[in-house]
Amino acid sequence: GENVEQHPSTLSVQEGDSAVIKCTYSDSASNYFPWYKQELGKRPQLIIDIRSNVGEKKDQRIAVTLNKTAKHFSLHITETQPEDSAVYFCAPSMEYGNKLVFGAGTILRVKS
Amino acid sequence: DAGITQSPRHKVTETGTPVTLRCHQTENHRYMYWYRQDPGHGLRLIHYSYGVKDTDKGEVSDGYSVSRSKTEDFLLTLESATSSQTSVYFCAISLNNEQFFGPGTRLTVL
Repeated sequence: GENVEQHPSTLSVQEGDSAVIKCTYSDSASNYFPWYKQELGKRPQLIIDIRSNVGEKKDQRIAVTLNKTAKHFSLHITETQPEDSAVYFCAPSMEYGNKLVFGAGTILRVKS
Repeated sequence: DAGITQSPRHKVTETGTPVTLRCHQTENHRYMYWYRQDPGHGLRLIHYSYGVKDTDKGEVSDGYSVSRSKTEDFLLTLESATSSQTSVYFCAISLNNEQFFGPGTRLTVL
């Protein structure tokens, strides 16, 4: 089965700085790479995803980059704001496989 | 919220008692999932369902059973609750790869 690791487990940044979270996976068949955000006391929600035929995808201040050869993908958040403080999960999987394996999560704290 | 509700939202029970958590969805989604969330472990899949009476085990299924007799309801049962099952339980549906989660149930087993 898929083995997923996220690094770092916690990350503190100053407001306005950038944050990068890396996710490594083991199953070379994975072709769908989402990131979920979970605010304190709330449910996880998808914030961005990428498929293996694309190397990078951007949505305003967030981006995801994929290195399929090395089997890792990363979440990039620029110009961080206090509302970016949350736990972020990666969940590499087979597209339309309908079964996700989540990483252990990264706690991001943005200090104002 | 993709029309997903969970009940109860909070429950405190004693070791050895049976517990059933309910997930209800209103939009006829085929795929439904139960996860548990614990600090340092992220979201771990307990059981999932591909349709009515079609279920399968996830990575942490021991001590749990599920049933899906109607499309809209996916029930998670702890036959005899243990303290290690104290957790937050999330139900989810899948739509075009994206998983939509319910609000969660906080279960405490004393």
